[in-house]
Amino acid sequence: GENVEQHPSTLSVQEGDSAVIKCTYSDSASNYFPWYKQELGKRPQLIIDIRSNVGEKKDQRIAVTLNKTAKHFSLHITETQPEDSAVYFCAARATGGGADGLTFGKGTHLIIQP
Amino acid sequence: GAGVSQSPSNKVTEKGKDVELRCDPISGHTALYWYRQSLGQGLEFLIYFQGNSAPDKSGLPSDRFSAERTGGSVSTLTIQRTQQEDSAVYLCASSLNLAGEQYFGPGTRLTVT
Repeated sequence: GENVEQHPSTLSVQEGDSAVIKCTYSDSASNYFPWYKQELGKRPQLIIDIRSNVGEKKDQRIAVTLNKTAKHFSLHITETQPEDSAVYFCAARATGGGADGLTFGKGTHLIIQP
Repeated sequence: GAGVSQSPSNKVTEKGKDVELRCDPISGHTALYWYRQSLGQGLEFLIYFQGNSAPDKSGLPSDRFSAERTGGSVSTLTIQRTQQEDSAVYLCASSLNLAGEQYFGPGTRLTVT
């Protein structure tokens, strides 16, 4: 089955700086890679996703890159703000035949220092 | 429109009792997923439904866990003879179809004493 590794487990950055979270996956059949943000005591919220037919996707201050050859994908947050503080989870999934649920990384606790 | 809803929001039960957790997906979403999140852990996939059918039940932690979905909408996750290690937040998600984005409900926090 799929295995997703996520690093770092904790990331502290100064407000206004950029943050990068990296994930690797093992199953070459995976073709869908979402990122979720989870604030304390709340549900995971989808913030951005990428499918395997593109290499990069941007939405305002958030971008995701995908390297299918290396089986790496990363989340980039620019101009970080206090409200970006949360736990971020990457995930991977094959949406074709034999589709299954999302396999999640262990999460990154992002701390924005004022 | 309304998002995914789950009930109850919190459940405290004694070891050995059965519990039933409910999920109401977003209207029109054909796919429904159950996950478990233990304290300080990531999310663990349990089972998914396409319509009323669950093609693969191998993600369920033990045979004490079962799930069903009727009418292509509401789903229930049942845990029989609960154990302390079953304590976790049980999250449900739904998507328009199997290839679509998954949207999560608020979860049910289960505590087994």
